[in-house]
Amino acid sequence: DGGITQSPKYLFRKEGQNVTLSCEQNLNHDAMYWYRQDPGQGLRLIYYSQIVNDFQKGDIAEGYSVSREKKESFPLTVTSAQKNPTAFYLCASSRTGHREETQYFGPGTRLLVL
Amino acid sequence: GQQVMQIPQYQHVQEGEDFTTYCNSSTTLSNIQWYKQRPGGHPVFLIQLVKSGEVKKQKRLTFQFGEAKKNSSLHITATQTTDVGTYFCAGPILTGGGNKLTFGTGTQLKVEL
Repeated sequence: DGGITQSPKYLFRKEGQNVTLSCEQNLNHDAMYWYRQDPGQGLRLIYYSQIVNDFQKGDIAEGYSVSREKKESFPLTVTSAQKNPTAFYLCASSRTGHREETQYFGPGTRLLVL
Repeated sequence: GQQVMQIPQYQHVQEGEDFTTYCNSSTTLSNIQWYKQRPGGHPVFLIQLVKSGEVKKQKRLTFQFGEAKKNSSLHITATQTTDVGTYFCAGPILTGGGNKLTFGTGTQLKVEL
């Protein structure tokens, strides 16, 4: 379980507000990922990063932004452009980012819109 | 959209009954991974299968990779309340987001006493 932390556990967003979700890992992994999980659906990839200062869009990147200034950190910003942000957000990491690697997940952040 | 499908979406069983979830891919996979997510929790890696026809066991859990490497199954013998959760398969598939690990839709298991 250890190695990846996410904060906060719950986050409330007002209309038109940008919010940032934190993800930190101490596994010395090169790759980090952000997923969105909605009820009844699997995990959908928002963004991923295989190296510091570089990241790529996943399948549902619109309305989100990320940065990777440090190897340990991969924060996700949910912008006001994301019209349906209520979901469970999961951060994950893997050793090098190779597509066949196991991924390790953080405990997640639940985002709710007020 | 999703290219890794799982059935059933939900399954309720009585404690002691067996349970099976099936995973199907539209493309041949180099490997398949299985994860378990407890209610309110996060996905945790269970196992990875690589070879065609491979079968692996973890206590009451049996994992199988199809001969064509396009499908997989997870079978739980004599379910217990600790088995409650959602089981996901995942495989490396090329999607609009790149050639990354793609998760299936998941099967939610509920075990009743």
